[in-house]
Amino acid sequence: SQQGEEDPQALSIQEGENATMNCSYKTSINNLQWYRQNSGRGLVHLILIRSNEREKHSGRLRVTLDTSKKSSSLLITASRAADTASYFCATRFSGGYNKLIFGAGTRLAVHP
Amino acid sequence: DAGVIQSPRHEVTEMGQEVTLRCKPISGHDYLFWYRQTMMRGLELLIYFNNNVPIDDSGMPEDRFSAKMPNASFSTLKIQPSEPRDSAVYFCASSPAGGDQSAQHFGDGTRLSIL
Repeated sequence: SQQGEEDPQALSIQEGENATMNCSYKTSINNLQWYRQNSGRGLVHLILIRSNEREKHSGRLRVTLDTSKKSSSLLITASRAADTASYFCATRFSGGYNKLIFGAGTRLAVHP
Repeated sequence: DAGVIQSPRHEVTEMGQEVTLRCKPISGHDYLFWYRQTMMRGLELLIYFNNNVPIDDSGMPEDRFSAKMPNASFSTLKIQPSEPRDSAVYFCASSPAGGDQSAQHFGDGTRLSIL
C-alpha cells in the first residue's frame, strides 16, 4: 500500500476558514513534502520539512511533523477560493533511492 | 525559466497502437521521474533517472512499457502495444538533486486514452 495516506479524503469549507489535512506514513523518512494539484494540472511543490524538524511555515501554510507518530499535518489559514485543489503528502525514504511516495490526496473545496 | 514540458497534452489512440510520450526537464536538473495517475491507484512512480541513467524501474507495470533518456534535456515513455487499461494521466517531473533539493517540478501531464 502507499507510504503516505491523507485524511480526510475530502474537505469542504468556507472562505476565511482554516483547513487542516493530515498525513500518515509507515517507514523512516528523510523528509516529507506537500504538493498541490489544481484540476487538469501537474503537482506543485508547496513545502518540505526535514525529519529533524517539527514545524515549518510558508506564508499561510503551516506544516508539522511528528516522527514518533509517523504523521504530518498541513494547515492552510484564512483559506481562499483559489486554494481549491487536491493536496498530497509525499515521503522520501531514509537512505537509498531518491524517490518520493505519494499519498492518495485530500480534495479541498473552498466556497466563496 | 521554463518548467517541465510534456507533449502531447492529450492522446487518443486505438488499442494495439504504439504510444510515445515526451518530456523536457528543467535545465540543470539531475533527476527525471515518470508517474502515472489514475483515480483507482493514485499517483504511481514508474521509473526515474539520475544523470540520464535509469535508477529504479520497479514501477514499470509490464514489458510493454519502456523509457529512455538519451540526453539531459529529453526523455520518452513508450507503450507498445497499448491497452485500454493504460488510460491515465502520465506526468514527468524533474528535481535538481536529492535530500533537501529533492522537491520535484511537474509538467502538466499527458492525458492518454486508449480505445
